[in-house]
Amino acid sequence: NAGVMQNPRHLVRRRGQEARLRCSPMKGHSHVYWYRQLPEEGLKFMVYLQKENIIDESGMPKERFSAEFPKEGPSILRIQQVVRGDSAAYFCASSPVKESNQPQHFGDGTRLSIL
Amino acid sequence: SQKIEQNSEALNIQEGKTATLTCNYTNYSPAYLQWYRQDPGRGPVFLLLIRENEKEKRKERLKVTFDTTLKQSLFHITASQPADSATYLCALDMENTGFQKLVFGTGTRLLVSP
Repeated sequence: NAGVMQNPRHLVRRRGQEARLRCSPMKGHSHVYWYRQLPEEGLKFMVYLQKENIIDESGMPKERFSAEFPKEGPSILRIQQVVRGDSAAYFCASSPVKESNQPQHFGDGTRLSIL
Repeated sequence: SQKIEQNSEALNIQEGKTATLTCNYTNYSPAYLQWYRQDPGRGPVFLLLIRENEKEKRKERLKVTFDTTLKQSLFHITASQPADSATYLCALDMENTGFQKLVFGTGTRLLVSP
């Protein structure tokens, strides 16, 4: 029973390029959350998605960032025209229900480095 | 604004002792509080969830308390082992969002020496 799978584990991009981060939730989970973690800082909520729907993207920068969770395939976090400040660890989590009485299951993250 | 505080200094203890980590919050009335463990280079792993109407929850060597008056949770690891060395994160659900919008503390690093 595979857990949450994220790829790539490490991604290096030059300023101005695009970064695409993928997340396959646990089997049977239809709720996906993306978080960003900067060094010495806590995990910051970015976006919450259900299949084919963005439910809450209040934690995501208004420009250059987008997320999707298509009917088939993994959830994608896309960062266009990356800048140095986008360097961080990006974590995806999934849960079977939306309510807070269940834990979230996390992947091991994608570490994005911008040159 | 809503705030969660965990001791940013590492906690160093001797193997076999009890480790106690603190999570304080302000301007919240969370229905649930969760504790996660995070190892370097890995994602957080869920440990325990406690509801606002529960004072205490236990799981093997772990114990969590939740005091909604003090706005504080304590996380205890009894008979600690070097393998317990990790960063421990507390997380609360934001109010009235209708879904699991978690806010995390910055975590406390625990080091257990043999």
